[in-house]
Amino acid sequence: QVQLVESGGGVVQPGGSLRLSCAASGFTFSSYAMHWVRQAPGRGLEWVACTLHEGTNTFYADSVKGRFTISRDNSKNTLYLQMNNLRADDTALYHCAKDRYGSGMNWLDPWGQGTLVTVSS
Amino acid sequence: DIQMTQSPSSLSASVGDRVTITCRASQGISNYLAWYQLRPGKVPKVLISGASTLQSGVPSRFSGSGSGTHFTLTISSLQPEDVATYYCQTYNSAPLFGGGTKVAIK
Repeated sequence: QVQLVESGGGVVQPGGSLRLSCAASGFTFSSYAMHWVRQAPGRGLEWVACTLHEGTNTFYADSVKGRFTISRDNSKNTLYLQMNNLRADDTALYHCAKDRYGSGMNWLDPWGQGTLVTVSS
Repeated sequence: DIQMTQSPSSLSASVGDRVTITCRASQGISNYLAWYQLRPGKVPKVLISGASTLQSGVPSRFSGSGSGTHFTLTISSLQPEDVATYYCQTYNSAPLFGGGTKVAIK
């Protein structure tokens, strides 16, 4: 079955960097757009970034534009999120999620269990 | 920019009650709306897409309706396993979530 497993979360100081990974299996990874979505403690869901199936076209929320970079390695069935210049308000559980189709403008199904990022001094 | 507003932000109902959650878009989004369930300790799960299409495996007590700017998610008979936070999401453009509705059992 479709499975998404995130890793790479941890505790980082403000201004630091972190790289998240999402290992995908059970579907043709290279055919689908992929997303990162986060949930800060006590807050709602926030879409973070999307990459289309080929990896060339990427889209970002204004809150992370210029600091985060989404990428993918279709040969490794893996999605990445490079996070630079991290701030306290980036503290959240980060989920990767599969776009239902390929356009990046669909509902998200399924989701991974998430990896926790804590930005604190 | 589109804004998605959910109401109420939380509710408490008895087992067997009918529960309705509302999601309003600040501009028309046709039927480009999905509903998700986030249960504690579980992976987020899509319940409904296209405003009213029930996803495979989702109990029939869940239903969605609406088009344009006003949408509803209804649980016809609340069950203990429905305790969760529910989010609407538009995919008219970049994904955008509502603020969430926390559902508890009275």
